[in-house]
Amino acid sequence: AQTVTQSQPEMSVQEAETVTLSCTYDTSESDYYLFWYKQPPSRQMILVIRQEAYKQQNATENRFSVNFQKAAKSFSLKISDSQLGDAAMYFCAQGRRDDKIIFGKGTRLHILP
Amino acid sequence: EPEVTQTPSHQVTQMGQEVILRCVPISNHLYFYWYRQILGQKVEFLVSFYNNEISEKSEIFDDQFSVERPDGSNFTLKIRSTKLEDSAMYFCASSHTGDLISTDTQYFGPGTRLTVL
Repeated sequence: AQTVTQSQPEMSVQEAETVTLSCTYDTSESDYYLFWYKQPPSRQMILVIRQEAYKQQNATENRFSVNFQKAAKSFSLKISDSQLGDAAMYFCAQGRRDDKIIFGKGTRLHILP
Repeated sequence: EPEVTQTPSHQVTQMGQEVILRCVPISNHLYFYWYRQILGQKVEFLVSFYNNEISEKSEIFDDQFSVERPDGSNFTLKIRSTKLEDSAMYFCASSHTGDLISTDTQYFGPGTRLTVL
């Protein structure tokens, strides 16, 4: 069975600093994808970053990057130069091609001005 | 940029009533999904839909739920007899154009907040 675990229910970071959100997952699949979604107070789900499991290179999107450790089944999200607009709930998730996404319980990120 | 849309944004209904939540997926996508998120909890998969039929459904998706793609654009979730515990945010998502270069990223709509009284 696929599972996603986020062990940090809440985190805080000073504006302009860097923060890392942790995520571990379990799957028996060899071909899968990993995601980080952001959910602001509006509750819309916004894709932040995506990683294909077959790719060794860590994905990056501007200030967002991941540390993908396939053997350890770890997929952490690093946010550099944190901004007030980054405050949100962040969900780690995994999925397979054309298949449902399994979400973790989320980490609420607070940005301190 | 194309986006998934959902209507209504908020639906209030009485227990036992039927509700239909509507979604317009991205126009050239082929795979459609419904998820729900009870307040304060994680997002849970309900059902996936491809080629005009259900591909997979979760344990949550029991006989009170149904999905339909009545025309070429809308994708609906019907809850036949709502219960208090159906109160949640319902997200529609779509993915995959079918092209070889298409990514499998699921794009989510803004959600419909369902409140059952």
